[in-house]
Amino acid sequence: GAGVSQSPSNKVTEKGKDVELRCDPISGHTALYWYRQSLGQGLEFLIYFQGNSAPDKSGLPSDRFSAERTGGSVSTLTIQRTQQEDSAVYLCASSLDRGIAFFGQGTRLTVV
Amino acid sequence: AQSVSQHNHHVILSEAASLELGCNYSYGGTVNLFWYVQYPGQHLQLLLKYFSGDPLVKGIKGFEAEFIKSKFSFNLRKPSVQWSDTAEYFCAVSPSNTGKLIFGQGTTLQVKP
Repeated sequence: GAGVSQSPSNKVTEKGKDVELRCDPISGHTALYWYRQSLGQGLEFLIYFQGNSAPDKSGLPSDRFSAERTGGSVSTLTIQRTQQEDSAVYLCASSLDRGIAFFGQGTRLTVV
Repeated sequence: AQSVSQHNHHVILSEAASLELGCNYSYGGTVNLFWYVQYPGQHLQLLLKYFSGDPLVKGIKGFEAEFIKSKFSFNLRKPSVQWSDTAEYFCAVSPSNTGKLIFGQGTTLQVKP
């Protein structure tokens, strides 16, 4: 596709379960970002991949959160042992040029 | 660590009113600056950007922003808003040497017809 694709669009999970969120960036984009959007909290930076460099994981809120990017393309954000405070919209974006990011539609995660 | 602060969380204006949304960032080095917009039900999209040169930049739909380096500010302006400008607006900063993109908390703009 032409844009950033995220799946699933919606995910409801039970507290304590693990979830995986997927992001397919725009082909050729070297940078990939994950953010968390909660009501009143804006876009919280989680992790940033740039080419073959080590990812910037400084925004991951706890060791329950991890992300990988395979082959410089698809990325998966994994949340282990989900908690209710993890409920949010998780946004992925990709970029080719200096912060001009293209966003996906997001995955709405609800932990019950 | 870099941070971005947006002064207004929720702004309500009537059509044709002028708009100014404040944005300040904290970072000592060279940065690229952005405003992104999220219209209801749509993806976040780029509104305008500043990399270098003229500190007054113009974006889509009549928006403009001014970079004032001494104040670490990048305020967004529009002389006359329209109902269709109702959206959430995010200021963002990217250090030139890393490409990391940090966003502010966002400002919800509601324009009354």
